Amino acid sequence: SYVLTQPPSVSVAPGQTAKITCGGNNIGNERVHWYQQKPGQAPVLVVSDDSDRPSGIPERFSGSGSGNTATLTITRVEAGDEADYYCHVWDPTTDHRVIFGGGTMLSVL
Amino acid sequence: QVRLVESGGGVVQPGGSLRLSCAASGFTFRHYGFHWVRQAPGKGLEWVTFIRYDGNNNTYAESVKGRFTISRDNSKNTLYLQMVSLRAEDTAIYYCAKELIRLSRGGPLDTWGQGTMVTVSS
Repeated sequence: SYVLTQPPSVSVAPGQTAKITCGGNNIGNERVHWYQQKPGQAPVLVVSDDSDRPSGIPERFSGSGSGNTATLTITRVEAGDEADYYCHVWDPTTDHRVIFGGGTMLSVL
Repeated sequence: QVRLVESGGGVVQPGGSLRLSCAASGFTFRHYGFHWVRQAPGKGLEWVTFIRYDGNNNTYAESVKGRFTISRDNSKNTLYLQMVSLRAEDTAIYYCAKELIRLSRGGPLDTWGQGTMVTVSS
């Protein structure tokens, strides 16, 4: 079965750049979406289809992907960016289910 | 304003049943596919099931197949999740989520409800 692997945690100082990776077999060939989830809240879509930003999401959030790794990049990190981040693809092996990564907790030092 | 509101969660004994609802507003409900996604306490997101815009070709996670049924009533703008034979491991917050793109599946989920808690315990 298709598996998405994310680091459990990433730490960054305010104003710096955070990179959260999502590993999967040939994930560069898949449409990857990213969600932000703050404690006690529902997930929010922050990047869709590898690199598109929904309305209202700051330009500081961007995505990219190639080979076996997709990356969510957050520039000029703010305290309010502290949250869990999840990557998501439509399972390319079965074509009938959603796969989420295990999630990465972003800590702003 | 696009909105999803879940209801129907609660405490149920192992082996019991529950039906969740997700009321939609602010968009043309019948044009979109929907998912149920759950999150056990302190855990990550787990996809549960998907229903296409026309109600056909529904798909399920292996962990719930044969026990959960997704359905929709386009006349009421409402999505449902019927859950039977519930187990302790089904304890989670259940979110409904809408596909971003009309008439599609497998795309990004642009709108999520606030979630409803299901606790399976004796």
